[in-house]
Amino acid sequence: QLRLHESGPGRVKPSETLSLTCTVSGGSISRSDYYWGWVRQPPGKGLEWIGSVYYSGNTYYNASLKNRVTISVDTSKNQFSLKLNSVTAADTAVYFCARVFKWLSNALDIWGPGTLVSVSA
Amino acid sequence: QSVLTQPPSTSGTPGHRVTISCSGGSSNIGGNPVKWYQQLPGTAPQLLIYSNNQRPSGVPDRFSGSKSGTSASLAISGLQSADEADYYCAAWDDSLNAYVFGSGTKVTVL
Repeated sequence: QLRLHESGPGRVKPSETLSLTCTVSGGSISRSDYYWGWVRQPPGKGLEWIGSVYYSGNTYYNASLKNRVTISVDTSKNQFSLKLNSVTAADTAVYFCARVFKWLSNALDIWGPGTLVSVSA
Repeated sequence: QSVLTQPPSTSGTPGHRVTISCSGGSSNIGGNPVKWYQQLPGTAPQLLIYSNNQRPSGVPDRFSGSKSGTSASLAISGLQSADEADYYCAAWDDSLNAYVFGSGTKVTVL
């Protein structure tokens, strides 16, 4: 059974770079049926799509974050990563990684449990 | 401000039916498939509906989705206490070139 799990620091200082990794287990990240995405949720608020990456490295970003975000994939480690630079308190959120299944009309069908990242000095 | 508009909350008694609306525009719901996600308290979202009205394997048929024009709806019949959760609609937006979520609806079982 495919599983996703986020990892990375739980606290980042303002103006620094938030870095998270999503490890995919139980299946290959290189299958052409899937994209891999990041979604975040500020405390008590709704969901926000950050962006997605294909195993080839093609990326799609939320325009509101585009200048600060980089999503990459490492097929040798079966991982994909998120970097968000110049963070502020507004970037405090639970960050989820998820699989995007093309044949389910690009639905996010498998999610990691999420990891809380707090931006504070 | 979410691109897709949902009511903040709705409620119902066990066994009854509730519906959640999701209003968008021609660049999102009007032209692309709608998905629905359920988020139980303290957990990650789970896919409930894709392609407007299709259920993934394992999702009970008490959950059903529909779409008309630039609006979509999720219906939950035979409401159970386990259905207390936040529900989000979502769709690709061709103008924003982004995957957009609704504002979320909290379902309370009375």
